[in-house]
Amino acid sequence: EIVLTQSPGTLSLSPGERATLSCRASQSVSSSYLAWYQQKPGQAPRLLIFGASTRATAIPDRFSGSGSGTDFTLTISRLEPEDFAVYYCQQYGNSPTFGQGTKVEIK
Amino acid sequence: EVQLVQSGAEVKKPGESLRISCKGTGYSFTSHYISWVRQMPGKGLEWMGRIDPSDSYTNYSPSFEGHVTISTDKSISTAYLQWSSLKASDTAMYYCARHYGYSSSSAYVHWGQGTLVTVSS
Repeated sequence: EIVLTQSPGTLSLSPGERATLSCRASQSVSSSYLAWYQQKPGQAPRLLIFGASTRATAIPDRFSGSGSGTDFTLTISRLEPEDFAVYYCQQYGNSPTFGQGTKVEIK
Repeated sequence: EVQLVQSGAEVKKPGESLRISCKGTGYSFTSHYISWVRQMPGKGLEWMGRIDPSDSYTNYSPSFEGHVTISTDKSISTAYLQWSSLKASDTAMYYCARHYGYSSSSAYVHWGQGTLVTVSS
């Protein structure tokens, strides 16, 4: 099984700042089957990015994804108040797995 | 509008059986895989398994194989997750999610609201 390791565990930032979240895979993720989700307390996850870099419908362009192989990044260019949440990466190949999450909190 | 509506919260005792449901509306139910995802209290997301509603082909995470069963009834556009013998460690929120594309390898754009399962003696 592919293990995804997200870093940092917690990111403390202020609104307007740039957030850079990392997701590293234990082996290459095939065909860039890599997604990012946002989850707020008491809510189901929301798909942000799939195919490593394609924004899902209605996702603001301040969210961007990049990377391939084993190293992937989610960037939020300027944090809005509603962006403070937990973010998960997922590889959705043959046997999907999630990373452990990165919490983006208000500094 | 695509919606996944899950059954309500459950409180069960260890050793009891349980089946929770996920009804898909607003799309062709047999055209998209459905996956189930567990979230234990205060923890992250864990993929449990997925099913192709068109032919009921399933595959499971090694962590969950043999402990849960995923099924569908396409006549009522509903997917199920069931346990034959619950444990306290099954206490969690369970989400169903519809795959974005038509293949098994696809991200999850539509999610149910979650079903909270509490197992306690």
